Formats: sequence, C-alpha cells, structure tokens
Amino acid sequence: KQEVTQIPAALSVPEGENLVLNCSFTDSAIYNLQWFRQDPGKGLTSLLLIQSSQREQTSGRLNASLDKSSGRSTLYIAASQPGDSATYLCAVPGGATNKLIFGTGTLLAVQP
Amino acid sequence: GAVVSQHPSRVICKSGTSVKIECRSLDFQATTMFWYRQFPKKSLMLMATSNEGSKATYEQGVEKDKFLINHASLTLSTLTVTSAHPEDSSFYICSAPWAGTEKLFFGSGTQLSVL
Repeated sequence: KQEVTQIPAALSVPEGENLVLNCSFTDSAIYNLQWFRQDPGKGLTSLLLIQSSQREQTSGRLNASLDKSSGRSTLYIAASQPGDSATYLCAVPGGATNKLIFGTGTLLAVQP
Repeated sequence: GAVVSQHPSRVICKSGTSVKIECRSLDFQATTMFWYRQFPKKSLMLMATSNEGSKATYEQGVEKDKFLINHASLTLSTLTVTSAHPEDSSFYICSAPWAGTEKLFFGSGTQLSVL
C-alpha cells in the first residue's frame, strides 16, 4: 500500500529565505508526482507535475525534483514571500492515473 | 482555464439531516470525478470515484449508504451525506480530470459542520 509522507509538518521562515519541502513515498512504481498548494478552507491548486521519466520541473520560483529510486521528491521555493504561506501537498497516483494519494502536507508560514 | 465549481462552500446542519454537495465542471466534460474528505490539519483521503452513468466506486471503509454519489451528467456529480452526524463534520473536496490528461482540477471545497 502506497504511503506518502511530508516533512516537516510545519515550517516558519522569514521573507526572502529559500526553503525546501520534502515528500517521500513507499512504492517507487509511480507514473508521476504532483505538488499542490492549498489555502485555508480552499481547494487545491496544482503547482508542478513531474513525470516518472523526469528529474525535475520548474515554474517561476518553484523547482520540484523527483528521485524515484529513493522514493523522494523535494519542492524548492526560492526567495519566499508572505503570499507563499499555505499548505503544500504532494501526491502520487494510486492505481488509476488520476486517483491520487496525498501526503500529510507541510504548513508553510512566511513571515514578513 | 478549466474550472470545477463546488457548492455550497459551507453548510451547517442539525444531526440527522441530509446534505447535498454539488460539483460541476464548467467548461469541460468529466466522465469521472473524485470525492475527497479532509479532517483539520490532515491530508486528503479519497472517498469515492464517481462515474458518469454508472455506479460510484467507493474506497475501503467508506459507507456507500452514508455517502451517496450520483454522476448523472458529464458535468455534474453530487455527494449526499445522509443522516449526518457530528463525526461527519469535515471538509469535502471534489476533483475532475481533464480528459485524457493527468491534469486535475479541484473544487473550492465544502466545509460541513453537523451540530
């Protein structure tokens, strides 16, 4: 059974810092891995999707890496801003491609 | 871009009543929709997969008679929490895949509070 874990559970940083969020999964046979952002009481916004054949994906200040063999992914956020404050979730397909198993989430607070 | 509209965003009800949550794909057809449940400070747990024109597929441990799912059209899926109890209080989110892709669009969620 696939299990997805994220560390740390919560993180508080001052504005401008670079930071790394971690995601680990137990079954390395995945098609892809996605990172999402969730604002309090809201739905999810897809940030990055990495295919199993890729090592990383970049979008603006965000960079996600994937190491399937070790069952790990990282989300790097450069020059953090208060607007980056949210919960970040990673997810991998569980069975069907769009049937996702989510990680436990990292609550990020960027202090101005 | 594609949008999934979910209503209501918040509902408060008395114990024993039933609550219906709607999820609509606004500018694309969704033959499949996923329903998730999220407890405070916890991750999303898949409850069921709704399939247009056929029965929903429920995850292990999810009561089919408790959480009724209907996917009557290519743009609408509904989740009805029947005879709601305080333990059903949670955040419910739907999602729909863009056909033929791995792209998922999520509704804005429904916060259910059962008194």
